[in-house]
Amino acid sequence: DGGITQSPKYLFRKEGQNVTLSCEQNLNHDAMYWYRQDPGQGLRLIYYSQIVNDFQKGDIAEGYSVSREKKESFPLTVTSAQKNPTAFYLCASALSSAQSYEQYFGPGTRLTVT
Amino acid sequence: AQSVAQPEDQVNVAEGNPLTVKCTYSVSGNPYLFWYVQYPNRGLQFLLKYITGDNLVKGSYGFEAEFNKSQTSFHLKKPSALVSDSALYFCASANQAGTALIFGKGTTLSVSS
Repeated sequence: DGGITQSPKYLFRKEGQNVTLSCEQNLNHDAMYWYRQDPGQGLRLIYYSQIVNDFQKGDIAEGYSVSREKKESFPLTVTSAQKNPTAFYLCASALSSAQSYEQYFGPGTRLTVT
Repeated sequence: AQSVAQPEDQVNVAEGNPLTVKCTYSVSGNPYLFWYVQYPNRGLQFLLKYITGDNLVKGSYGFEAEFNKSQTSFHLKKPSALVSDSALYFCASANQAGTALIFGKGTTLSVSS
């Protein structure tokens, strides 16, 4: 899982609560990403950031928010507006956002909302 | 729209036999293609990539992939499968802007002893 940490590994929340997932990297990578993984659907991009203080929506950004105040950190907040938040969330980073750079993934956080 | 397809949800092979996990792509311009592997409840691990050059790309753990432009395919292969290769495999392509990856839905590889 390289130099990317995600915490916690498992997270349980009640419906209607916001929850923040942590992602930290010590690889000195510029680009960071958040994906959501659901069975049989592959990975879908939620948000990405190419540099500090800048981020862009991915394919399924509704109900999520992010910040990128430091190069090493890219926290994801799952808000109460997200209709179906239970999923496995993966954070990744890359040396740059250029096509040729592979992404390194964290171990993931499994979020369960009841 | 760009897309990556993995036509098989599951591939079953016996240990020692060759394996192939299929991937086809639909992208504008030159494709930048990747294979990743995921073990249960873990993040994805990079296996190999095609950017340019030789159509046969060699990667980690004895895997290789063949880029075929005419068939728009990037199949993952290994000459002799191991039980430890059993995992979920994802094919991915860089999006047109080069800012993120588009993933296929994944193929579960099961290698029996």
